Amino acid sequence: AQKVTQAQTEISVVEKEDVTLDCVYETRDTTYYLFWYKQPPSGELVFLIRRNSFDEQNEISGRYSWNFQKSTSSFNFTITASQVVDSAVYFCALSKNDYKLSFGAGTTVTVRA
Amino acid sequence: DTGVSQDPRHKITKRGQNVTFRCDPISEHNRLYWYRQTLGQGPEFLTYFQNEAQLEKSRLLSDRFSAERPKGSFSTLEIQRTEQGDSAMYLCASSARAITGELFFGEGSRLTVL
Repeated sequence: AQKVTQAQTEISVVEKEDVTLDCVYETRDTTYYLFWYKQPPSGELVFLIRRNSFDEQNEISGRYSWNFQKSTSSFNFTITASQVVDSAVYFCALSKNDYKLSFGAGTTVTVRA
Repeated sequence: DTGVSQDPRHKITKRGQNVTFRCDPISEHNRLYWYRQTLGQGPEFLTYFQNEAQLEKSRLLSDRFSAERPKGSFSTLEIQRTEQGDSAMYLCASSARAITGELFFGEGSRLTVL
């Protein structure tokens, strides 16, 4: 069985602060994929990143960065210098293929001006 | 707008009624997915189509649920004899070949069963 745990239910920060979202996963598969999606108030899930289990290289995309650590089964996401537009629910997800994603419960990020 | 579109966006129905949701994927995408999201939770996988073939169904998809994708274009999700527990957001997504693994989601169809 696959399971994703996002222990932080809500995070509130002031604009320009950094915010890190934790994601811990469980799987027995040796090959798997990890994802992050953003769900703004409009409701449409927006893809942010996919990593496969063989690629532990950290990634940076603009103000977003991801830290994948297989040893601790974690795939954490950091938003640097947060902005009000970053306010959304962020979901971490796990899949052994590319379509059946198991999502965590999500972390609601509120960035205050 | 060339994204995934879903219709209706909101549906309120009485228990026992049938409802149908429609999803129009991005035109060049051959893969289509249905997920369900309840309040405060992440989406849960329901089913997956590659072209017109339904390749996988979740155990969440009881006998009252049926999904189709005739001709490999739009898809419908029908719920018969709705129950209050069916109240949720029904999300449709589509993708092309799995290069980046990106699923493109629609804005969802919210179902409220009274």
